Amino acid sequence: ELKVEQNPLFLSMQEGKNYTIYCNYSTTSDRLYWYRQDPGKSLESLFVLLSNGAVKQEGRLMASLDTKARLSTLHITAAVHDLSATYFCAEGGGADGLTFGKGTHLIIQP
Amino acid sequence: NAGVTQTPKFRVLKTGQSMTLLCAQDMNHEYMYWYRQDPGMGLRLIHYSVGEGTTAKGEVPDGYNVSRLKKQNFLLGLESAAPSQTSVYFCASSFRLHNNQPQHFGDGTRLSIL
Repeated sequence: ELKVEQNPLFLSMQEGKNYTIYCNYSTTSDRLYWYRQDPGKSLESLFVLLSNGAVKQEGRLMASLDTKARLSTLHITAAVHDLSATYFCAEGGGADGLTFGKGTHLIIQP
Repeated sequence: NAGVTQTPKFRVLKTGQSMTLLCAQDMNHEYMYWYRQDPGMGLRLIHYSVGEGTTAKGEVPDGYNVSRLKKQNFLLGLESAAPSQTSVYFCASSFRLHNNQPQHFGDGTRLSIL
């Protein structure tokens, strides 16, 4: 059974701290996506990772992909309140859609 | 610059009623998808379409039907709504090629079945 597992599912952290969200997946598709969702809103694409060793950065967020370990990480550097959201990783992206993790609900407190 | 547009945004139904959710995209995408989002479950794929006139079942298709008569539109139907179908429904679309592009999502339809 295809699975995408994220951890942690809930994370409360202070501004200025660093943290990492982990995403394990069980297939060999090796296309990994990160999305952000604010409460009551749609999903916003953050990163698309297509190859082993891929690393992408946008502001305080950096995503990486290790296809051998079937692991992707989303690293947050010097967190700020505006990054509070739910973050999803998803695998697939071909004709038959994405398989999502359950999401990581991130709260960043002053 | 509409992207993916879903209608309606909110709806309340009684058990046994039927309704259709409409998704329209103006990006000339070949692929379209319907997902449902439930608390603590992430998003799960209901049905998808790889082109006009074609549809296929996803992970949770029971109780839903879909149609794609035009490339830009993807309809999701509930023939006899059940409380278990209370959820937020998202439509998404993407290109057939260009694997470096993500799926683009609509704003969602919040559906409550009483």
